Amino acid sequence: GESVGLHLPTLSVQEGDNSIINCAYSNSASDYFIWYKQESGKGPQFIIDIRSNMDKRQGQRVTVLLNKTVKHLSLQIAATQPGDSAVYFCAESGGYNKLIFGAGTRLAVHP
Amino acid sequence: ETGVTQTPRHLVMGMTNKKSLKCEQHLGHNAMYWYKQSAKKPLELMFVYNFKEQTENNSVPSRFSPECPNSSHLFLHLHTLQPEDSALYLCASRQLAGGPVTGELFFGEGSRLTVL
Repeated sequence: GESVGLHLPTLSVQEGDNSIINCAYSNSASDYFIWYKQESGKGPQFIIDIRSNMDKRQGQRVTVLLNKTVKHLSLQIAATQPGDSAVYFCAESGGYNKLIFGAGTRLAVHP
Repeated sequence: ETGVTQTPRHLVMGMTNKKSLKCEQHLGHNAMYWYKQSAKKPLELMFVYNFKEQTENNSVPSRFSPECPNSSHLFLHLHTLQPEDSALYLCASRQLAGGPVTGELFFGEGSRLTVL
């Protein structure tokens, strides 16, 4: 499941630091958003979701923030670990039963 | 293990070949999807099936032909493909429960296709 060949924006962080990955979405009518993580050789895996009636949701070491005014979504990872290295995708609901994915950001965690 | 199994994991085929990708989900979901992941478009929706009925064809060329014989199985039949069709093909499933569509997609690990 690796995104070989993709020229993705890369966020490089030191182990233990907090990471913030940003995403701009396109449809102001989207009412549901998800963050996925894709490690090399695997399919995307669910991290956290949020509905449009919320502006913040927390999980284990992760927080998603939603700013509907500027159509912006962010994923915050606390105390980033080497195992967090992956490509991260945001997705928005694109009509009934459709999820539209963003381009992705590669997170590189350095010891 | 996500409960979504794709075979084969790797496939090399010529432009005149006919092959099929298979997806099976063991989660009891009622919706299944094909996505294409390539260097040009990271995760591109191809087809959507709800309750075995195709509800979405995202302008996919006819050389890709999906089949959903039941709610647990999904195929992607391939014929006369082009080298630019080389990509990772991901299958996913989800449980639709009526009302606003929420809930995560569960992805398989993908079938890496190379067209020579």
